[in-house]
Amino acid sequence: EDQVTQSPEALRLQEGESSSLNCSYTVSGLRGLFWYRQDPGKGPEFLFTLYSAGEEKEKERLKATLTKKESFLHITAPKPEDSATYLCAVQANRDDKIIFGKGTRLHILP
Amino acid sequence: NAGVTQTPKFRILKIGQSMTLQCTQDMNHNYMYWYRQDPGMGLKLIYYSVGAGITDKGEVPNGYNVSRSTTEDFPLRLELAAPSQTSVYFCASSYRPRHEQFFGPGTRLTVL
Repeated sequence: EDQVTQSPEALRLQEGESSSLNCSYTVSGLRGLFWYRQDPGKGPEFLFTLYSAGEEKEKERLKATLTKKESFLHITAPKPEDSATYLCAVQANRDDKIIFGKGTRLHILP
Repeated sequence: NAGVTQTPKFRILKIGQSMTLQCTQDMNHNYMYWYRQDPGMGLKLIYYSVGAGITDKGEVPNGYNVSRSTTEDFPLRLELAAPSQTSVYFCASSYRPRHEQFFGPGTRLTVL
């Protein structure tokens, strides 16, 4: 069964304190891994798609990496506006379904 | 472009009532999805569609029905509402499954 596990469930950081969020996945043939950001009361917003192990993508203070078993979302020198829930999702080769993890709630303290 | 729009934003239903959640996208995307999100539980796929006239079940389809008569619209029907269907419902669309999904603002549904 395809699974996506995100850790930690919640993370509190001081402004400027860098850290990483983890997304472990079990899927029979990865077609794509996605990262989304979700603010309270809103729909998720797309951040990155990674397609193959070794791939990396960056956007402002965020950098996503991918291995054959997990993905990391690295956040460098975060600011309070980076506070949100970060969702990881995967798509397997065999169908068009997208499986989401439960998310990591990130809180950046000023 | 409005992107993905959903109506209503909020709704309270009594047990046994029925309703339709509306979803429309103006990006000419073939792929559309319905998710539900319970507190701390991420998103669960209810139904999805790969084009007009084609729909398929996701992880949690029981108690729901969908139709896709046009590219733009993908309504979600709840028959005989139950308290377990209290949740936030998100509609999304994408050009292809490998591409980013665009999400609507969500519908918060309470069944009492």
